[in-house]
Amino acid sequence: GAGVSQSPSNKVTEKGKDVELRCDPISGHTALYWYRQSLGQGLEFLIYFQGNSAPDKSGLPSDRFSAERTGGSVSTLTIQRTQQEDSAVYLCASSTKGGRSTDTQYFGPGTRLTVL
Amino acid sequence: AQSVTQLGSHVSVSEGALVLLRCNYSSSVPPYLFWYVQYPNQGLQLLLKYTTGATLVKGINGFEAEFKKSETSFHLTKPSAHMSDAAEYFCAVNGGLTGGGNKLTFGTGTQLKVEL
Repeated sequence: GAGVSQSPSNKVTEKGKDVELRCDPISGHTALYWYRQSLGQGLEFLIYFQGNSAPDKSGLPSDRFSAERTGGSVSTLTIQRTQQEDSAVYLCASSTKGGRSTDTQYFGPGTRLTVL
Repeated sequence: AQSVTQLGSHVSVSEGALVLLRCNYSSSVPPYLFWYVQYPNQGLQLLLKYTTGATLVKGINGFEAEFKKSETSFHLTKPSAHMSDAAEYFCAVNGGLTGGGNKLTFGTGTQLKVEL
């Protein structure tokens, strides 16, 4: 079946604008993760959703970042008042079987965000 | 908390030569360990993972890794490099069964170059 999809693939925005990044997980996967890949910080965890449980937001770098997952499927990562340091590739991943530690996370191709 | 260290941000090998990519971990609990590969402009793909059981783990594309608790290592090897192996490789850890759950902590990555 189809893998994890993300849109847009590239996003260029101006400093101070808000952006929304979308992730469509693999059908039937209950766990969804957002990571950020940047030159300065490498790959870092942002947020994790598992079913109807409260999300683990421990990786969000500031209150300008938020995410939601509607209907247990599609997720949107929102960055408000973007800053140049937000420029990065934002990766989404999903996993099945309740998001256990042993589960394989399947990654999407990412959204490359450039803040001018 | 868990962390991984990848020694060598760039590794170059000749086609047909042994590939050895190094990963050392730090964890206060028995970790689960992963190797992912990233091809240009693509997401991450799982090569292999160690959770429990046999410490020598075989993955896709002829790669394998051995979990050595005494050395806190999880090095990735392949007996004979192929041009198609040129990519960036990431070692990752999570908290395993007892702590931290499923979010992955990644190393800084090793760029593998394969030369004729």
